[in-house]
Amino acid sequence: EAQVTQNPRYLITVTGKKLTVTCSQNMNHEYMSWYRQDPGLGLRQIYYSMNVEVTDKGDVPEGYKVSRKEKRNFPLILESPSPNQTSLYFCASSSTRYSGELFFGEGSRLTVL
Amino acid sequence: AQTVTQSQPEMSVQEAETVTLSCTYDTSENNYYLFWYKQPPSRQMILVIRQEAYKQQNATENRFSVNFQKAAKSFSLKISDSQLGDTAMYFCAFRTLSGNTGKLIFGQGTTLQVKP
Repeated sequence: EAQVTQNPRYLITVTGKKLTVTCSQNMNHEYMSWYRQDPGLGLRQIYYSMNVEVTDKGDVPEGYKVSRKEKRNFPLILESPSPNQTSLYFCASSSTRYSGELFFGEGSRLTVL
Repeated sequence: AQTVTQSQPEMSVQEAETVTLSCTYDTSENNYYLFWYKQPPSRQMILVIRQEAYKQQNATENRFSVNFQKAAKSFSLKISDSQLGDTAMYFCAFRTLSGNTGKLIFGQGTTLQVKP
């Protein structure tokens, strides 16, 4: 089954404790991206990757890092989480950056205390 | 800057009736994609329907159809024969075909409740 898989789905952590949200897709997509969803703001792009070893900042990259060492994986790293990073996070992929729709993972609910 | 606006934060409809969700967007581009995504309580983002800007014909998917008015930059979603399972938040989204970001620009969302 074609899918985007994120882990963990839920996480409660404390300020400053590094964490990684993993993302993996099995569709051989070149393009991957991370979004965060906050009430009243819709979804906003954090980082994106056009292909292996090619990543760039989206609209709200502060406090986040990413890497793309393999085509299928695109982890989101919070080096020192803060309460304003409490949010619902989505990983998404598409064949290329010019393709049609994005395929989304199931979301990761992160709470930073 | 490209923006997407959904002016209806909440809507409700009786089961089996028809409802229309509004969306307007702003762009100077000529080629792009438009989408409606559904987010049920499970939080998953599910594609409902897509429209390529170069296509004049309005997209349809079973009970879901759009009214795409390119000149007016309007992209409304019509849900016919509403079902309880249609209860969800609906997001209108725009995807540019220029630049490198490949990002989707989302509206703020419309929460739709289908009442029995």
